[in-house]
Amino acid sequence: DVKVTQSSRYLVKRTGEKVFLECVQDMDHENMFWYRQDPGLGLRLIYFSYDVKMKEKGDIPEGYSVSREKKERFSLILESASTNQTSMYLCASSSQGNTEAFFGQGTRLTVV
Amino acid sequence: DQQVKQNSPSLSVQEGRISILNCDYTNSMFDYFLWYKKYPAEGPTFLISISSIKDKNEDGRFTVFLNKSAKHLSLHIVPSQPGDSAVYFCAAKSGRTGNQFYFGTGTSLTVIP
Repeated sequence: DVKVTQSSRYLVKRTGEKVFLECVQDMDHENMFWYRQDPGLGLRLIYFSYDVKMKEKGDIPEGYSVSREKKERFSLILESASTNQTSMYLCASSSQGNTEAFFGQGTRLTVV
Repeated sequence: DQQVKQNSPSLSVQEGRISILNCDYTNSMFDYFLWYKKYPAEGPTFLISISSIKDKNEDGRFTVFLNKSAKHLSLHIVPSQPGDSAVYFCAAKSGRTGNQFYFGTGTSLTVIP
């Protein structure tokens, strides 16, 4: 079974802190994604990566950065957390071609 | 601009009846469509998919229908069960435009026992 693992289920951070969300997949997938889910807005793509050290901006990249130093790991970084970044963050991975994306269990981030 | 739309935020259905969830898309280059199911505090799980070369795909109680001319797809769940209560997301992608998945805003399904 494909497994996508996010480092934390729940996080509480203070405004202005630098926050790291880690994601690891074990299926040698080329593509990895970071989404956030908010009520009424669905899943919005923050960043994605199709190869090591490669990254592409999604729909809402402002306030975020990413790092992909190894194929299996994709990190999302909140440079200076703000309250409007309180959300559910979801990591996903997929292989090339028309296959499904596999999601991690999500990280519920609260910024206070 | 939302390229995948789910216009019904919520749906309630009696147990045993059919649930029909709808999804519309605007990008004619989309050639692969997926449905995901999401429980609270969990990540979405893949449910069923369909390629644009087909108009129907069935997997047990779940059937997805694709109408390319109308740019519309639907998910039918028959019979609906209380465990089907979740948020359902429609997604689309195109091999020509890269590997990005475009998601709808979701429909919250409640199956009433």
